[in-house]
Amino acid sequence: DSGVTQTPKHLITATGQRVTLRCSPRSGDLSVYWYQQSLDQGLQFLIQYYNGEERAKGNILERFSAQQFPDLHSELNLSSLELGDSALYFCASSVGQGARLTEAFFGQGTRLTVV
Amino acid sequence: AQTVTQSQPEMSVQEAETVTLSCTYDTSESDYYLFWYKQPPSRQMILVIRQEAYKQQNATENRFSVNFQKAAKSFSLKISDSQLGDAAMYFCAYRRGHDMRFGAGTRLTVKP
Repeated sequence: DSGVTQTPKHLITATGQRVTLRCSPRSGDLSVYWYQQSLDQGLQFLIQYYNGEERAKGNILERFSAQQFPDLHSELNLSSLELGDSALYFCASSVGQGARLTEAFFGQGTRLTVV
Repeated sequence: AQTVTQSQPEMSVQEAETVTLSCTYDTSESDYYLFWYKQPPSRQMILVIRQEAYKQQNATENRFSVNFQKAAKSFSLKISDSQLGDAAMYFCAYRRGHDMRFGAGTRLTVKP
């Protein structure tokens, strides 16, 4: 158990809908990352937050947004869903700051299926 | 932007043998971290080993070791005495501060 909790584990929804994925980082971790992994693909970096502030942005679609709350949990919102958005969405957290951010610990992922 | 390249989409190894997975990266920084993650069929991402760039000594974790060549920007993973449970996707990752990037992965098959 990495200590990172993602809910829900599985989600099936229809095209055009909106969903929210939730992540609770490890206790004490200030940094949260979101990644998308399509079937048999690598990890696509979406966005990163540090202590409530957005710090880095990857190839995140405009239909997607995220935030990190004062209690440090994070949510990834996906709207106007398309079939191609079906993927495994990972959240990862890490401790430290600046260049001393070390390894990231991953949650078990949320498997999103858009039908 | 920093890039991480894994040039071997697939590798296979006989049980009990040794296999080396390759990774190269591109950066202009001198202080950073490198990681190998394992993703078994369960899809959970598991940290295998970590290397700090300022340390010349190669990291080792039981049967897993790395060959870190900083000047060449190379970071290979050696798995000794391969076991069936080592079969997985392996991802190389680079991190400096808030920037963390992954390679495309190498699928390792272990033959009994």
